[in-house]
Amino acid sequence: GEQVEQLPSSLIVQEGASVLINCSYTDSASVYFPWYKQEPGKRLQFIIDIRSNMERKQNQRLTLLFDKKTKHLSLHITATQPGDSAIYFCSASINNNRIFFGDGTQLVVKP
Amino acid sequence: DPKIIQKPKYLVAVTGSEKILICEQYLGHNAMYWYRQSAKKPLEFMFSYSYQKLMDNQTASSRFQPQSSKKNHLDLQITALKPDDSATYFCASSQERGGTGQLYFGEGSKLTVL
Repeated sequence: GEQVEQLPSSLIVQEGASVLINCSYTDSASVYFPWYKQEPGKRLQFIIDIRSNMERKQNQRLTLLFDKKTKHLSLHITATQPGDSAIYFCSASINNNRIFFGDGTQLVVKP
Repeated sequence: DPKIIQKPKYLVAVTGSEKILICEQYLGHNAMYWYRQSAKKPLEFMFSYSYQKLMDNQTASSRFQPQSSKKNHLDLQITALKPDDSATYFCASSQERGGTGQLYFGEGSKLTVL
């Protein structure tokens, strides 16, 4: 089945810095790639997504890049704030029936 | 105001016992899911349901049985509990199965099996 890998597993940055989270997947049939954020003890929350017919998507301070050829995604977060501290999950889906998640990237933004 | 309600939030069980995790969604969604999150394997897909019918089962053990009594309910019964079942179980829903769209998650039920 699909395998999703994320790097790095953790990041510690100073407030205001930009961060990059990388994600790769294995199944070329995957067409939909949502990202989720999970704050400590909270539910996962959708933050941004991209479909395989797109290369780039931006939502405020989040920019998601997608390379179908290399099966690679990267999430760029600019001007980080302490409230961005969370675990970020990349995921891949052929259809919504089964979504495969990466192991997560723990981001800590220090004030 | 949570639209997906999971109960209980925390539970402790003894090995060999049985527990039911409750999930109700008030988003009007037709597809519901269970995921498991543990230290060993973060966010593992377990089941998907669409219109109260099981669509996909990624859980090898028959000790895990989803139950859908109503369109907006998907409970998870776990029998003969083992310490390895200790995890946080997340319920999720989406508008439709088979399409592509975001999942909405509940806050999870953290199960500890002693």
